[in-house]
Amino acid sequence: DPKIIQKPKYLVAVTGSEKILICEQYLGHNAMYWYRQSAKKPLEFMFSYSYQKLMDNQTASSRFQPQSSKKNHLDLQITALKPDDSATYFCASSPPGQNSDYTFGSGTRLLVI
Amino acid sequence: GDSVTQTEGLVTVTEGLPVMLNCTYQTAYSDVAFFWYVQYLNEAPKLLLRSSTDNKRTEHQGFHATLHKSSSSFHLQKSSVQLSDSALYYCALSDPSNNRIFFGDGTQLVVKP
Repeated sequence: DPKIIQKPKYLVAVTGSEKILICEQYLGHNAMYWYRQSAKKPLEFMFSYSYQKLMDNQTASSRFQPQSSKKNHLDLQITALKPDDSATYFCASSPPGQNSDYTFGSGTRLLVI
Repeated sequence: GDSVTQTEGLVTVTEGLPVMLNCTYQTAYSDVAFFWYVQYLNEAPKLLLRSSTDNKRTEHQGFHATLHKSSSSFHLQKSSVQLSDSALYYCALSDPSNNRIFFGDGTQLVVKP
């Protein structure tokens, strides 16, 4: 069984629309992250959350908004979608403790047309 | 700030031969963990090995790496590659102040028959 569930696996969206990418982890981890992977920039850090609180935000655009409704959830809302947002978005989590390694979800492939 | 450099974007090796993927880093911290993640086509990145001890060899799945703080390097090696080793390999380090993992740009390893 997958320990980190990302939904949907594939997503096609129209320019200007809004989408929510879902991430749930069942590892009991307290920290969760979003990364983006595209041809232009491999594995680019976006956000980190710890105990449902935003710890770090490296996303320049406010169109990207993480949402944590539960301890093991970290969704990503993207508004006013642009073709440049096309990428694979990976959710990850890690246990408490310094220098913990991440477990990644299988990703959501987003294509904006 | 922290950074990881992988100089080779693509490495092509014949099956059965050795390979070394280069990784150097910059960090202001002394208590840092280093990782190699592997990402197979259309899959999530997953941890291959990690180390935080200077001059200690770490091995997993036939791959090994030794952290050398004197040269700020953490190269990944394998003595005899297999076709199934073809994948994207990321070197990374963990910032102990916020547990954020910084990834290099990745090296695509192609093993040919």
